[in-house]
Amino acid sequence: GAGVSQSPRYKVAKRGQDVALRCDPISGHVSLFWYQQALGQGPEFLTYFQNEAQLDKSGLPSDRFFAERPEGSVSTLKIQRTQQEDSAVYLCASSLAPKVELFFGEGSRLTVL
Amino acid sequence: GENVEQHPSTLSVQEGDSAVIKCTYSDSASNYFPWYKQELGKRPQLIIDIRSNVGEKKDQRIAVTLNKTAKHFSLHITETQPEDSAVYFCAAVTGNQFYFGTGTSLTVIP
Repeated sequence: GAGVSQSPRYKVAKRGQDVALRCDPISGHVSLFWYQQALGQGPEFLTYFQNEAQLDKSGLPSDRFFAERPEGSVSTLKIQRTQQEDSAVYLCASSLAPKVELFFGEGSRLTVL
Repeated sequence: GENVEQHPSTLSVQEGDSAVIKCTYSDSASNYFPWYKQELGKRPQLIIDIRSNVGEKKDQRIAVTLNKTAKHFSLHITETQPEDSAVYFCAAVTGNQFYFGTGTSLTVIP
């Protein structure tokens, strides 16, 4: 497709379950970001990849959060042992290079019961 | 790290009036300042951006101004229309990092 694609769009998990969120960036985009967006808030940085290298993971809130981009294209954000405070929209964004336009996906809305 | 503050959090204007949203940043190394529009339930989309070597940029009804000395930048929308109603986010970019403001919910009243 032409844009950033994320799946699933909606995920309901029971507390303690593991979830995996997928991001398909725009083909050829080097940079890939994951953000967490709580209701009524701006996107909060989680982690950044340049190709397959995870250059910054300082925003991951705990060691339950893990992200990978093994072949420099598709990325997966995994959350282990989900907690209620993990409920949010998880946005993926990609860009052709650093410091140019970010293209966002539509997000994955996670609800933890 | 960078701290971006955005004001106001909500803004209502009459159709045809102007809207102004302001952001401040803390890191003087930030040198790229994009603005994103997010309609309800949709993805954020870039509407305009400015780099630190420019003081103002216009694109039809939208303009952005940057004051590097004061570390603030503003979004100006003129002749507002109902379809401008959305949440607007500013961002300051340092290195490879995008730091977003908390958003302004703009409502244009017909």
